[in-house]
Amino acid sequence: AQSVTQLDSQVPVFEEAPVELRCNYSSSVSVYLFWYVQYPNQGLQLLLKYLSGSTLVESINGFEAEFNKSQTSFHLRKPSVHISDTAEYFCAVRRNTGFQKLVFGTGTRLLVSP
Amino acid sequence: DVKVTQSSRYLVKRTGEKVFLECVQDMDHENMFWYRQDPGLGLRLIYFSYDVKMKEKGDIPEGYSVSREKKERFSLILESASTNQTSMYLCASSRPGTTLDEQYFGPGTRLTVT
Repeated sequence: AQSVTQLDSQVPVFEEAPVELRCNYSSSVSVYLFWYVQYPNQGLQLLLKYLSGSTLVESINGFEAEFNKSQTSFHLRKPSVHISDTAEYFCAVRRNTGFQKLVFGTGTRLLVSP
Repeated sequence: DVKVTQSSRYLVKRTGEKVFLECVQDMDHENMFWYRQDPGLGLRLIYFSYDVKMKEKGDIPEGYSVSREKKERFSLILESASTNQTSMYLCASSRPGTTLDEQYFGPGTRLTVT
């Protein structure tokens, strides 16, 4: 079985500061990794994903995440955050074969202040 | 764009009532999912379906049932609502067997059981 740990329930930062949201996973098989974002009063949207290939993946709005197999991590980073990045971020994992059941972390709320 | 709609954004029901939460997707996706989202617990899978009339239990199926009579519609049923079922309920859909492997989420239904 897979599991995901997001140690930080809330991360407050000032606008234009860098941010890192941490995600560690556990799995005995190879996995795909995802970050989803939930803006206030909305459903989840896929932010970025790692399926294979380059371990550094990027989103269209400046976020990036690096798959580190040895540390079983998939941390999300952004060099300079905006007020509009305020949202809850969920890391998720699923095995790369078989039915696509996603296992989610508990979420990290990013609070960006002016 | 894929669209997943849920019948209600907010719902208030009394203990013991039978509750139906409806989800409709317009992209002919085979897979559909029901999650509940609770603070500090993230998203937990209740039930999923990979075809019409097919259903599988997720991680927390107790107290819930589902129905999928048509491909585009997936209903979550609370046979006798209880206060511990007060939560945000999210529906999602996806197409299996693709490398995109993305689940598309609806906006959620916030259910309060009093």
